Amino acid sequence: QLQLQESGPGLAKPSATLSLTCAVSGGSIRSSGYYWGWIRQPPGKGLEWIGSLYFSGYTEYNPSLRSRATISVDTSNNQFSVKLTSVTAADAAVYYCARQVISAGGLGWFDPWGQGFLVTVSS
Amino acid sequence: EIVLTQSPATLSLSPGERATLSCRASHSVSSYLAWYQQKPGQAPRLLIYDTSNRATGIPARFNGSGSGTDFTLTISSLEPEDFAIYHCQYCSNWFTFGQGTKLEIK
Repeated sequence: QLQLQESGPGLAKPSATLSLTCAVSGGSIRSSGYYWGWIRQPPGKGLEWIGSLYFSGYTEYNPSLRSRATISVDTSNNQFSVKLTSVTAADAAVYYCARQVISAGGLGWFDPWGQGFLVTVSS
Repeated sequence: EIVLTQSPATLSLSPGERATLSCRASHSVSSYLAWYQQKPGQAPRLLIYDTSNRATGIPARFNGSGSGTDFTLTISSLEPEDFAIYHCQYCSNWFTFGQGTKLEIK
């Protein structure tokens, strides 16, 4: 059974860089037909896609976050990461990683998801 | 940019009743629509993909329908564990989520 687990610092200072890692177990990040994505959810609000990557290193980003987000892969450790620069209070959220199933016509859907990791932005 | 609007924001029903949740897109999204269920403190769980396909392990009481700009998630007979927040999601160039519908016990 595929499982994903987010980890990283739970606190980021304003203007600093937020970094999170997603460890994948029960399956290979090199599996074809799948991307690997990051989604976030500010407290009490809706979901926002940050971006996704393929194990080759190819990435797609939400245009609203493209200038600040970088997603990378570490195939040797079966994990992928996200970095978000110049964070503000608006970046405080639960960050989820998820496997993205590629569909025939679009980018697909996310299944399964990690349990989520709360990041607070504060000095 | 596609905007997804879910309605109602909150739906109050009793176990055993039928729930109808709406997701309306600002422009046609073909059939590229998914639905997720999220319980408090938990990650979203995929229910429906490509408008009407149930994900693995999802009970038959969950059904998705629609096309173009109007989509519906129907729960035929509510079980106590179905009370949660439901999100719709579109995927083409990038992913867009609706703001969610909270299904609460009446």
